[in-house]
Amino acid sequence: EAGVAQSPRYKIIEKRQSVAFWCNPISGHATLYWYQQILGQGPKLLIQFQNNGVVDDSQLPKDRFSAERLKGVDSTLKIQPAKLEDSAVYLCASSLETSGTADTQYFGPGTRLTVL
Amino acid sequence: SQQGEEDPQALSIQEGENATMNCSYKTSINNLQWYRQNSGRGLVHLILIRSNEREKHSGRLRVTLDTSKKSSSLLITASRAADTASYFCATDPDGGFKTIFGAGTRLFVKA
Repeated sequence: EAGVAQSPRYKIIEKRQSVAFWCNPISGHATLYWYQQILGQGPKLLIQFQNNGVVDDSQLPKDRFSAERLKGVDSTLKIQPAKLEDSAVYLCASSLETSGTADTQYFGPGTRLTVL
Repeated sequence: SQQGEEDPQALSIQEGENATMNCSYKTSINNLQWYRQNSGRGLVHLILIRSNEREKHSGRLRVTLDTSKKSSSLLITASRAADTASYFCATDPDGGFKTIFGAGTRLFVKA
């Protein structure tokens, strides 16, 4: 079974530039998550989709971050404009169920973003 | 603030010893999970324990849950160098859909 795919793996940009990350979840998984993990911290949930609807985006900085999940499969996360504090690893995960802790979440390898 | 807080923040032990790490949380939960993260394999699910369970085992892993104290512990027995990683607990505050991870315990197992 193929795992969660993410691209790119690494990205370096300057502040005020924009960047986009892509995620392809495990086939058949209804729920997709985007997390931000700053060095030395645990993952922080940014947004959670069930199929192509948003379940939770309460911690997404909506003035600069946006995410979509077209057709309930792939997803993109965008940052525009980027700030220095956005430097982090962005993790995508998927699970069969809607409630993330009722079911195993499978994580992708992440995208390491550096904002200069 | 994080829902789950692990302690200790860091732990260094010799191969063969047991490692115990704890997670405390603030609100009621339905489920609690433990995950491991290392540079080689990324973030991987270890075990899930439900609020009506007190203890679960999986291989060398033993997880306990005390809902009255709002805490959980993860015990790794007979540790190996390959267990070197960060360990995170994840909870669903108030039994909702959101998943909150703690800051993690960094375990270093010396060969």
